[in-house]
Amino acid sequence: QKEVEQNSGPLSVPEGAIASLNCTYSDRGSQSFFWYRQYSGKSPELIMFIYSNGDKEDGRFTAQLNKASQYVSLLIRDSQPSDSATYLCAVWDNDMRFGAGTRLTVKP
Amino acid sequence: DTEVTQTPKHLVMGMTNKKSLKCEQHMGHRAMYWYKQKAKKPPELMFVYSYEKLSINESVPSRFSPECPNSSLLNLHLHALQPEDSALYLCASSQDWASRGWAEAFFGQGTRLTVV
Repeated sequence: QKEVEQNSGPLSVPEGAIASLNCTYSDRGSQSFFWYRQYSGKSPELIMFIYSNGDKEDGRFTAQLNKASQYVSLLIRDSQPSDSATYLCAVWDNDMRFGAGTRLTVKP
Repeated sequence: DTEVTQTPKHLVMGMTNKKSLKCEQHMGHRAMYWYKQKAKKPPELMFVYSYEKLSINESVPSRFSPECPNSSLLNLHLHALQPEDSALYLCASSQDWASRGWAEAFFGQGTRLTVV
């Protein structure tokens, strides 16, 4: 059974801080990794994807991938209250599998 | 048009009813998906259609019946559901059924289904 594991949280950070979200996956053959944001009662929205080891930056978001450790993370710099949501890690290996999500709260 | 449109947004149905959920996209995507999401849980894959052919059926009970009439439309036919089937049903589409296709994947807003 392919597993995608995330800390369910809640993770609480003050406004302006860096939020760090982590994800591990079980299948070494996994090829592609995605981070989704989901507001309560809404559908998931793609934030970032990463395919290669290392860092990938897009605005305030940085995705980090370490395939040897089977670990992917998302950093959110200068966190805003509007970033408060559940963040889903998703891993592709012949189909898309989602982690349970980490609930992030950014306090003003 | 970068939208996946799902109808209806909300649906309440009895256990003896037959209803259908609809999903539509006009982005030329060739893979379409049905996911089920319970509260505070991740989306769970139900079905994958690739080039209008059913490619994955994740051991979903037969009371759920998918249909892909054409490359833009995806239906989910519901019959004799149970209260535990109450959930948010999400449709998604991607360029194709491959990892890189998901870099431009979109989810619809979902249908909130309640079975009474």
